[in-house]
Amino acid sequence: GDSVTQMEGPVTLSEEAFLTINCTYTATGYPSLFWYVQYPGEGLQLLLKATKADDKGSNKGFEATYRKETTSFHLEKGSVQVSDSAVYFCAPSENRDDKIIFGKGTRLHILP
Amino acid sequence: DAGVTQSPTHLIKTRGQQVTLRCSPKSGHDTVSWYQQALGQGPQFIFQYYEEEERQRGNFPDRFSGHQFPNYSSELNVNALLLGDSALYLCASSFGTYNSPLHFGNGTRLTVT
Repeated sequence: GDSVTQMEGPVTLSEEAFLTINCTYTATGYPSLFWYVQYPGEGLQLLLKATKADDKGSNKGFEATYRKETTSFHLEKGSVQVSDSAVYFCAPSENRDDKIIFGKGTRLHILP
Repeated sequence: DAGVTQSPTHLIKTRGQQVTLRCSPKSGHDTVSWYQQALGQGPQFIFQYYEEEERQRGNFPDRFSGHQFPNYSSELNVNALLLGDSALYLCASSFGTYNSPLHFGNGTRLTVT
């Protein structure tokens, strides 16, 4: 079945460092790809999305590019802030049946 | 504009009991999905409701059932509770059925003793 694998955490970085969280997926169709974020004490919320190959999703300084040839959707940010500390989930969705599946999550700690 | 609301926020049940969790979707949304999130894990898909019918289902036993009402709100029922059912249950709403992003509630924390 469909699955998603993302970088294991926790990831600890200093403020202003460059961030990459890897995500790869397997899917039988042509998925849309999402990153969701869960800030401390808050519910899951959409961070960004990409719906077709080579699309780049971006929000709050985060970016991820839909790489069909490598079935990847890595999350990047050029300069992280303490406020980015959260758990990040990679989540592909099948076009065919719209079910969204989630990775195990990557906990990110940003040190001031 | 109210987002997704879930009730109750916390619940303690005894093994073997039954529980009902409730969800009101974001205004304008017509699709409700339910997820189970164990501590330190990603959400696991339980099922999705659209037009008052279960449209798709994850790998959960028949003890997990649901319902969607004409106003798009939804219930998740779990029978014969097991200790392993202890988790955060998340409701997410969306509009339509084509790759629409999910809007999540804050969840119901279920503890089975």
